[in-house]
Amino acid sequence: KAGVTQTPRYLIKTRGQQVTLSCSPISGHRSVSWYQQTPGQGLQFLFEYFSETQRNKGNFPGRFSGRQFSNSRSEMNVSTLELGDSALYLCASSLALASTDTQYFGPGTRLTVL
Amino acid sequence: AQKITQTQPGMFVQEKEAVTLDCTYDTSDPSYGLFWYKQPSSGEMIFLIYQGSYDQQNATEGRYSLNFQKARKSANLVISASQLGDSAMYFCAMGDIARLTFGGGTRLMVKP
Repeated sequence: KAGVTQTPRYLIKTRGQQVTLSCSPISGHRSVSWYQQTPGQGLQFLFEYFSETQRNKGNFPGRFSGRQFSNSRSEMNVSTLELGDSALYLCASSLALASTDTQYFGPGTRLTVL
Repeated sequence: AQKITQTQPGMFVQEKEAVTLDCTYDTSDPSYGLFWYKQPSSGEMIFLIYQGSYDQQNATEGRYSLNFQKARKSANLVISASQLGDSAMYFCAMGDIARLTFGGGTRLMVKP
């Protein structure tokens, strides 16, 4: 079974721009979660989509948004980029039917904002 | 709210020795899952092992085992026979449905 894929792997943007990141889950997984990882804040949950609906959202500003398509692929968008948005963005897929379901992560997208 | 604490920012271990990485948690949920992930310098989070709150036995997965002490709210990861490739960040996490809460991580360095 193919794992979780994320594109692109690396991005360099300037302040004020917007960016879109993509995540394709493991086949059969309908849930995609997104996380931001920074040296200062660690790993933080952004949001989760299940069957095209956002089920859960972390404590991030509205500049961070996402969506999920009917094939379970998900995109995350960050508008009006700030220097502090520089981070590793990880997505994870799971069955997400119970709190005990394992999340499997993709390789991440490393975003640098200049 | 769920909380995960990893008190060891960094650790050294000699190759072929065993090492224990500490993790304590706090939750009011009666049913929960505890997970350990490894993150090499490449950045990918690799799932290692899982323990359910109602599991009677400690989880094991190859060289990884989980020392689960529910009354003490601890879920320590034990790596036996350390290898150089085990050098990485290790994260303990607690799961709500599709939402993980992570600890701050422990950087493990394996010495040859």
